Amino acid sequence: KAGVTQTPRYLIKTRGQQVTLSCSPISGHRSVSWYQQTPGQGLQFLFEYFSETQRNKGNFPGRFSGRQFSNSRSEMNVSTLELGDSALYLCASSLAGTALYEQYFGPGTRLTVT
Amino acid sequence: AQKVTQAQTEISVVEKEDVTLDCVYETRDTTYYLFWYKQPPSGELVFLIRRNSFDEQNEISGRYSWNFQKSTSSFNFTITASQVVDSAVYFCALSEAEGRDDKIIFGKGTRLHILP
Repeated sequence: KAGVTQTPRYLIKTRGQQVTLSCSPISGHRSVSWYQQTPGQGLQFLFEYFSETQRNKGNFPGRFSGRQFSNSRSEMNVSTLELGDSALYLCASSLAGTALYEQYFGPGTRLTVT
Repeated sequence: AQKVTQAQTEISVVEKEDVTLDCVYETRDTTYYLFWYKQPPSGELVFLIRRNSFDEQNEISGRYSWNFQKSTSSFNFTITASQVVDSAVYFCALSEAEGRDDKIIFGKGTRLHILP
C-alpha cells in the first residue's frame, strides 16, 4: 500500500508570495491533517479535512487555508508569505480522524521563505 | 486547555541501556487519547501507540513499553536495551474526544541519542 505522499518536497519562496502544497493520502483514508513543524514552536496542528469539509482548525491566521478533493487529496495554501512561515509542513492521513485512528505521516514539504 | 509537557529536551544513553521518556499532560476532558510518535532523522513521523483515557493498562511491544497513570497525568515511554536505530525525536501527543473540536496537541519532543 502506498504511503502518504507530499509534493513538492522542498520549496523556496519570497516574502509576500503565496504557495500551495499538496498531499495524497493513503488509499481509503478520508481524513487529512496538516501540521507545521518549526524549531521554536514544535509541531502545531493546522487543520483537518474529512470528506471535503474542514472539520477542525488550529490557531493559525487566515493566510493559511486548505481544501480537500473528492478523492481525498488535499492542498494547503499560504498567502502573503512571511519569514516565520519557513517550516516543515507535514501532512497525515487516517481512516477517519486524528483521535480515534492512527495517523500516517508523509515526508513533509520543507518551505523556506526568504 | 490541553497541554503536553515533555520536560526532557535531549537524552543521551549508551547502547543497550534502558531509557524512559517522560510525558505529562493536562486536559479537562474525561475522554481523551494519548499518542507517541517517533521522528527519525529522515523526518517522517511514525506512529507508535494510541491509548484512550479509559484504558490504563500498560502496554509492551517488543523493547518498547508504555506506562499510563491517570493519577499523575503521565504517559511515559520506556525503551529497553536501546539500539542505535532508536535515535530519533519522540513526541507525545494528546487529543480530546472525537467530535468535540477535536485537535491534537504535541509536546515539544525529546531528542534521544543512542551512543554505540
